[in-house]
Amino acid sequence: GEDVEQSLFLSVREGDSSVINCTYTDSSSTYLYWYKQEPGAGLQLLTYIFSNMDMKQDQRLTVLLNKKDKHLSLRIADTQTGDSAIYFCAETPRGDYKLSFGAGTTVTVRA
Amino acid sequence: GAGVSQTPSNKVTEKGKYVELRCDPISGHTALYWYRQSLGQGPEFLIYFQGTGAADDSGLPNDRFFAVRPEGSVSTLKIQRTERGDSAVYLCASSLQGQGHEQYFGPGTRLTVT
Repeated sequence: GEDVEQSLFLSVREGDSSVINCTYTDSSSTYLYWYKQEPGAGLQLLTYIFSNMDMKQDQRLTVLLNKKDKHLSLRIADTQTGDSAIYFCAETPRGDYKLSFGAGTTVTVRA
Repeated sequence: GAGVSQTPSNKVTEKGKYVELRCDPISGHTALYWYRQSLGQGPEFLIYFQGTGAADDSGLPNDRFFAVRPEGSVSTLKIQRTERGDSAVYLCASSLQGQGHEQYFGPGTRLTVT
């Protein structure tokens, strides 16, 4: 959706950290999500953050939220070849139930 | 437990034909959503069910699209008089309730209209 923007591509070396960035427009969004999509597969919910939080860590994943700048990022530590996929940022505008997605960032992990 | 399932996984149809796409949500999930994903884009919302009723169908592109969930579980998305522009992956998701709950997606149905 046009309300959520992401860079389209990211190439990272195996073992390095990946950082995927996202900006959104709706300041009333209550939840922000990261989904992963592998080729030919559906969307896998990776993690989400409530809007009153600044950071959330879940194993190799760290989500950072800057509400002032409406900026969300996902850091993947020790990136593996299995992390190659398209990553979607999504928000729930106005605390709604509808997910509004970005166009996705294609992450390619090279050896 | 079983996740969201969708059938068929692929559907090829001729322009002008009618198609039905089926979604089986996670057992116990009262909320069900349909999204459409065109090539190179993120999913776009179509319709949301809470129980048996369509609580929000504002994302349906026109009156050729219709969806039902008669018993509050399985849902069917119906497309009449298909057009080539309807070609996309149709994704179904379910959640425990509506607002503020994680949506879990099925693998999608890839619809190709020739």
